[in-house]
Amino acid sequence: NAGVTQTPKFQVLKTGQSMTLQCAQDMNHEYMSWYRQDPGMGLRLIHYSVGAGITDQGEVPNGYNVSRSTTEDFPLRLLSAAPSQTSVYFCASSYSRGRLGYTFGSGTRLTVV
Amino acid sequence: GESVGLHLPTLSVQEGDNSIINCAYSNSASDYFIWYKQESGKGPQFIIDIRSNMDKRQGQRVTVLLNKTVKHLSLQIAATQPGDSAVYFCAEEVSGAGSYQLTFGKGTKLSVIP
Repeated sequence: NAGVTQTPKFQVLKTGQSMTLQCAQDMNHEYMSWYRQDPGMGLRLIHYSVGAGITDQGEVPNGYNVSRSTTEDFPLRLLSAAPSQTSVYFCASSYSRGRLGYTFGSGTRLTVV
Repeated sequence: GESVGLHLPTLSVQEGDNSIINCAYSNSASDYFIWYKQESGKGPQFIIDIRSNMDKRQGQRVTVLLNKTVKHLSLQIAATQPGDSAVYFCAEEVSGAGSYQLTFGKGTKLSVIP
């Protein structure tokens, strides 16, 4: 049981490039979400999904896109990277909302230059 | 919008002492609260949660207290150990149709002095 797996762990992008951050969970969790963590800002919700085929925006969705074609995977796409997107990104999943909290991945540290 | 905050950004305690980490929340509609521990370079790790119909919940060496009157949440760690050194976040969630957003506070860094 691997839990929540994020790849890559580190990434450097040039401004304007696009990329996809991968997130996979093997716990059959319905709920998955993406957060970004900036110094002094805590974690902020980018996008979330309550099940395959269903996604919705969180607090800071601009510049990001998501899809949920399977229960296991929830990739986050940066459409045109900007320095303001330099951050640590965390994927989280939960069996159901409000039950035993959420399981987080180990994060992707992204730097946009 | 309303958000969860913390009273202290840093806390230093002697090994073996009890630690108390505080959190103030402002959304009176929040009915589910979670404490997370985050070690350097790792993702947040679930510690304990509590629903708004409770005022206290205990786990192994940890206790969460909820005071809805003053919108205050605290995490108590008994017999603090060096392995407890980390950043601790409180988070709140509002139950209800279409509401799936977990709002995090900015975190408190706990340092345990050996």
